[in-house]
Amino acid sequence: AQTVTQSQPEMSVQEAETVTLSCTYDTSESDYYLFWYKQPPSRQMILVIRQEAYKQQNATENRFSVNFQKAAKSFSLKISDSQLGDAAMYFCAYRRRAGTASKLTFGTGTRLQVTL
Amino acid sequence: ETGVTQSPTHLIKTRGQQVTLRCSSQSGHNTVSWYQQALGQGPQFIFQYYREEENGRGNFPPRFSGLQFPNYSSELNVNALELDDSALYLCASSRGLAGGSSYEQYFGPGTRLTVT
Repeated sequence: AQTVTQSQPEMSVQEAETVTLSCTYDTSESDYYLFWYKQPPSRQMILVIRQEAYKQQNATENRFSVNFQKAAKSFSLKISDSQLGDAAMYFCAYRRRAGTASKLTFGTGTRLQVTL
Repeated sequence: ETGVTQSPTHLIKTRGQQVTLRCSSQSGHNTVSWYQQALGQGPQFIFQYYREEENGRGNFPPRFSGLQFPNYSSELNVNALELDDSALYLCASSRGLAGGSSYEQYFGPGTRLTVT
């Protein structure tokens, strides 16, 4: 079974600074997707960024980028130029690529606070 | 394009009662997945429906059941409610089951269920 671990329950960053959220996962699969989702107080889960395991290049989306280390099974999220609107719960998630097993396996989340 | 919607927003039930939660999938999506998110935890996969058939189930007892309708909307039914069923229930829709990156899951805002 796949597992996703987020070891940082809470993180804090000052506005305009950079913060990195950590995630490790365990799987025997070679082809899969990794995701970072943001869940603000409104509760709606919003996709931040996606990484395909077969791609060596790290994904980037504007101020958000990942450091994907496949051999180490590590997938961290870097948020640059942090904004007040970035404050939320962040969840790392895993999904197999093959077949019909398209369920997401989530970590326990990291609460990000952004201070002035 | 209409996003994923869920109803009701909040619900309070008594232990032993039954509850039905509803989800309308995003336009063009034929797959619906349900997740349970307990307080302070990441979402846990309950089950998935594809073209009106259950297609994969997580570690949840049979009193959790579902339906998908011809318009791809879905219901989650929980019988004999227990206190531990108190959680946020999230619905996510996608265009299909294949592992391609285009088959992203888009989440609704969730239903907060409280069992007393």
